[in-house]
Amino acid sequence: DQQVKQNSPSLSVQEGRISILNCDYTNSMFDYFLWYKKYPAEGPTFLISISSIKDKNEDGRFTVFLNKSAKHLSLHIVPSQPGDSAVYFCAAGGATNKLIFGTGTLLAVQP
Amino acid sequence: SAVISQKPSRDICQRGTSLTIQCQVDSQVTMMFWYRQQPGQSLTLIATANQGSEATYESGFVIDKFPISRPNLTFSTLTVSNMSPEDSSIYLCSVVLARTRGTQYFGPGTRLTVL
Repeated sequence: DQQVKQNSPSLSVQEGRISILNCDYTNSMFDYFLWYKKYPAEGPTFLISISSIKDKNEDGRFTVFLNKSAKHLSLHIVPSQPGDSAVYFCAAGGATNKLIFGTGTLLAVQP
Repeated sequence: SAVISQKPSRDICQRGTSLTIQCQVDSQVTMMFWYRQQPGQSLTLIATANQGSEATYESGFVIDKFPISRPNLTFSTLTVSNMSPEDSSIYLCSVVLARTRGTQYFGPGTRLTVL
């Protein structure tokens, strides 16, 4: 039972354009959501999070949107840069502080 | 955030042997976790490392295979016991800092190859 899903295994975007990464979840008990970026041979790096009481959170080039009724969140990166090329994981958490991770989306930003 | 270190960064081990991975944090943390990322897969939680008591394991993971210690707030070890090639993975520790609820920060990972 995959509680957190990222249906796009890969995404290719031109430099300067917007990257949109999507994530769906099934458990309505999740009350916060996070996005991580992971380069090969490194641990995941925290990017941005959002509480379930909000529908948008912005930090520089990164914006996360949450649609609770659809159980869907997305990460927008604008403008995209070649250094953004990495695997992006969404994760969901609740009262236990444990995180459930999605399967990841490989983003390639083309110069 | 915090500086999280793991040792070793990588290792190649023989079948049937054991490897202990260390995780050290430079800040006070409330929670520490151990994850596994198998090749091409997502991150899977192995266990929550509890200070001074037995770790709490997720379904599919047992203490005999993955013994965990956490003698103080900033240090933990994970042992992968009686290894087989199926244990080849990246093993990651993560922490929740005392001042941030929910957000987990990850160490650089230990890449384990079992021959």
